[in-house]
Amino acid sequence: DSGVTQTPKHLITATGQRVTLRCSPRSGDLSVYWYQQSLDQGLQFLIQYYNGEERAKGNILERFSAQQFPDLHSELNLSSLELGDSALYFCASSVEGTTDTQYFGPGTRLTVL
Amino acid sequence: AQSVTQLGSHVSVSEGALVLLRCNYSSSVPPYLFWYVQYPNQGLQLLLKYTSAATLVKGINGFEAEFKKSETSFHLTKPSAHMSDAAEYFCAVRPQGAQKLVFGQGTRLTINP
Repeated sequence: DSGVTQTPKHLITATGQRVTLRCSPRSGDLSVYWYQQSLDQGLQFLIQYYNGEERAKGNILERFSAQQFPDLHSELNLSSLELGDSALYFCASSVEGTTDTQYFGPGTRLTVL
Repeated sequence: AQSVTQLGSHVSVSEGALVLLRCNYSSSVPPYLFWYVQYPNQGLQLLLKYTSAATLVKGINGFEAEFKKSETSFHLTKPSAHMSDAAEYFCAVRPQGAQKLVFGQGTRLTINP
């Protein structure tokens, strides 16, 4: 158990819908990262937040957004969902960033029908 | 952009045999390098990391990896495979000055009895 929790574990929804994925980092970790794992793209970095502020952006679509709240939990919002958004979404956390290990949560499996 | 290449999407070894999973990175400056393992239906777990200290890095579960700058490689080895090692293994790089991880495509390790 990494100490990073993600809810829900599974999510099935329809095209055009909007969903919210939630992540709680390990106690004391200030950085939260979101990654997407799909069969065709592999594991890709989406976005990072540090202590409530966006710090880095990767291959995140404009239909996707994220935020980190004062209690340091983070949410990833996916809207206007398409079939191709079906994937495993991982959250990771670290104390700060530079050489610190990123600890991964168990992931949320999103299926868009 | 920095990247990692994992040679072989599938590797199969016999129980008790040497495990060798290959990873090459592209970078003019030695980055930080990581190996993660993903068991079925689970998140990613850190096996080991290289952060410019010792070039031979020992990790959990008997795995180790050697950083070779001249070959831009960071191959993962284990002297004797166990059935419990069956999983997907990901090599990742954290470029200097960045905090995101860039992952390879993964290598699925199968252990034959």
